[in-house]
Amino acid sequence: AQTVTQSQPEMSVQEAETVTLSCTYDTSESDYYLFWYKQPPSRQMILVIRQEAYKQQNATENRFSVNFQKAAKSFSLKISDSQLGDAAMYFCARNGGGSEKLVFGKGTKLTVNP
Amino acid sequence: DAMVIQNPRYQVTQFGKPVTLSCSQTLNHNVMYWYQQKSSQAPKLLFHYYDKDFNNEADTPDNFQSRRPNTSFCFLDIRSPGLGDAAMYLCATSRGTGGFNQPQHFGDGTRLSIL
Repeated sequence: AQTVTQSQPEMSVQEAETVTLSCTYDTSESDYYLFWYKQPPSRQMILVIRQEAYKQQNATENRFSVNFQKAAKSFSLKISDSQLGDAAMYFCARNGGGSEKLVFGKGTKLTVNP
Repeated sequence: DAMVIQNPRYQVTQFGKPVTLSCSQTLNHNVMYWYQQKSSQAPKLLFHYYDKDFNNEADTPDNFQSRRPNTSFCFLDIRSPGLGDAAMYLCATSRGTGGFNQPQHFGDGTRLSIL
């Protein structure tokens, strides 16, 4: 089975500091897409950032950036200048293989300490 | 604002009593998904519609059905809910372009409790 693995069930960071959330995945495809989603407590899941596998340049969205290592099948999320509102579950996800379906990791719960 | 709307936010039903959850969208997306999410777990895809084409996941119980009468609406029917079906149910949409790079947009979810 093609899987997505988030090895850190929980992480914590001090406000204004930087934190990196890890994600690895398994795929036999060459063309696919990777996503990080954020799910705050009792709130909807929203897209944080996405990366197209054929692009070597790492995606960046304001304080959020990824370190995409295609050969290693690694897709980590870096959050800079962490804010209290960043506290949430973060899910790494992949699609591809001619399908719009997403495969999610188990999530990482991020706590931001004031 | 264009969005994905799920009603109700909280639903309580009795063991074995059929229940329907609803989802509507103003994004005009042609793909709609239903996920089940249990506490502290990743969302699990139950099924999705690509336009009118229904795609069931192999491990989705027969107890779960879905209807999509038009582009905007999609329903999740649970015919005989068991205690194990208590969960958050998430609806999502995406713009199916054939490139599969479009993100999914999620609703707030419906939390289902079984008495």
